[in-house]
Amino acid sequence: GDSVTQMEGPVTLSEEAFLTINCTYTATGYPSLFWYVQYPGEGLQLLLKATKADDKGSNKGFEATYRKETTSFHLEKGSVQVSDSAVYFCALRGFNGNTPLVFGKGTRLSVIA
Amino acid sequence: DADVTQTPRNRITKTGKRIMLECSQTKGHDRMYWYRQDPGLGLRLIYYSFDVKDINKGEISDGYSVSRQAQAKFSLSLESAIPNQTALYFCATSGASSTDTQYFGPGTRLTVL
Repeated sequence: GDSVTQMEGPVTLSEEAFLTINCTYTATGYPSLFWYVQYPGEGLQLLLKATKADDKGSNKGFEATYRKETTSFHLEKGSVQVSDSAVYFCALRGFNGNTPLVFGKGTRLSVIA
Repeated sequence: DADVTQTPRNRITKTGKRIMLECSQTKGHDRMYWYRQDPGLGLRLIYYSFDVKDINKGEISDGYSVSRQAQAKFSLSLESAIPNQTALYFCATSGASSTDTQYFGPGTRLTVL
């Protein structure tokens, strides 16, 4: 079945450092790929998404590119801020939409000033 | 107003008690979901419903039941709560397309003593 593997945390960075959180997936066809973020004490919210190969999703300075050849959707940000401290989840939904989202286990990011 | 609301937000109960968690959404979506979040385990799907007459088990449905009272309402019950059901519970809703965003509620923190 479909699955998502993302790097385990926690990840601790200094403010203005470069961030990469790796995500790879296994799925048939062309799934849609998502990054969700969970800030402390809140529910998950969509950060960005990409729905076909080579698409780049972006939001709030974060980017991720749908790479079909490497089945990856790595999350990057050039300069993190303390306010980016959160848990980040990579997820996919199958191409026909008839299955729920499949989530990775999440990566906790802490940014220190 | 929030797109997805959950009640209660916090609940402490005792082993053997019956508990109901309620979820309402104003997105007009047919699809609704219940997840459980435990530290280090990410999000795990309990039940999902693709329309009012459709209920499906997720990966961890044992010990839980659901009711889809209307398009906008989806409740989760623990018939006889046990301590290892202590967790954070999230409700979510989405459209039917593989590219649709899934919207999450703020979560219910349940403690079973």
